[in-house]
Amino acid sequence: EPEVTQTPSHQVTQMGQEVILRCVPISNHLYFYWYRQILGQKVEFLVSFYNNEISEKSEIFDDQFSVERPDGSNFTLKIRSTKLEDSAMYFCASNRLAGDNEQFFGPGTRLTVL
Amino acid sequence: GESVGLHLPTLSVQEGDNSIINCAYSNSASDYFIWYKQESGKGPQFIIDIRSNMDKRQGQRVTVLLNKTVKHLSLQIAATQPGDSAVYFCAENIGGSYIPTFGRGTSLIVHP
Repeated sequence: EPEVTQTPSHQVTQMGQEVILRCVPISNHLYFYWYRQILGQKVEFLVSFYNNEISEKSEIFDDQFSVERPDGSNFTLKIRSTKLEDSAMYFCASNRLAGDNEQFFGPGTRLTVL
Repeated sequence: GESVGLHLPTLSVQEGDNSIINCAYSNSASDYFIWYKQESGKGPQFIIDIRSNMDKRQGQRVTVLLNKTVKHLSLQIAATQPGDSAVYFCAENIGGSYIPTFGRGTSLIVHP
């Protein structure tokens, strides 16, 4: 069964450093998403992406964040200058159609900012 | 039970019992609801969904009930198994949005 994959599983970085989190969505999916989950809290939407552009973003997704689909398979989330409060699990998700409400989530990347 | 914005509650059940996980929502414009299961170290996994024009939907061993009058959603798991142990999130899509707004989750612990 196809699945969303994410790398790395755990990323440790120093405050102020740039990080890139990587995702490989399911191959025939067209809509891609990033969410984050601070330990013990809700899953929060960050951004959705379709046709090589951002289609929707939340207030969390400020100028420090960017997303890219550099090739036909990868979908990346970049945080330019990490802050302590960026420490969280970051989940990538994808689905085939926007109206296809079932989103398939990856296993997540745990980001720890020291 | 669970309500968006409250602390993460825990439900402990014995294997074979039926489990009921509750969720309250506040937005009248919510038109689509989803239950997700999140096992330790994994991402959320879709379980079942329901649209606002329905009040009940059944899947394999799971049933979702929607009461729009009191803005309440529940997930019933029949014959709960140890593999059902996880955190369960309800999520709502508001006003036609395709982006789910997640609740805080309920931890289900199934004792063998």
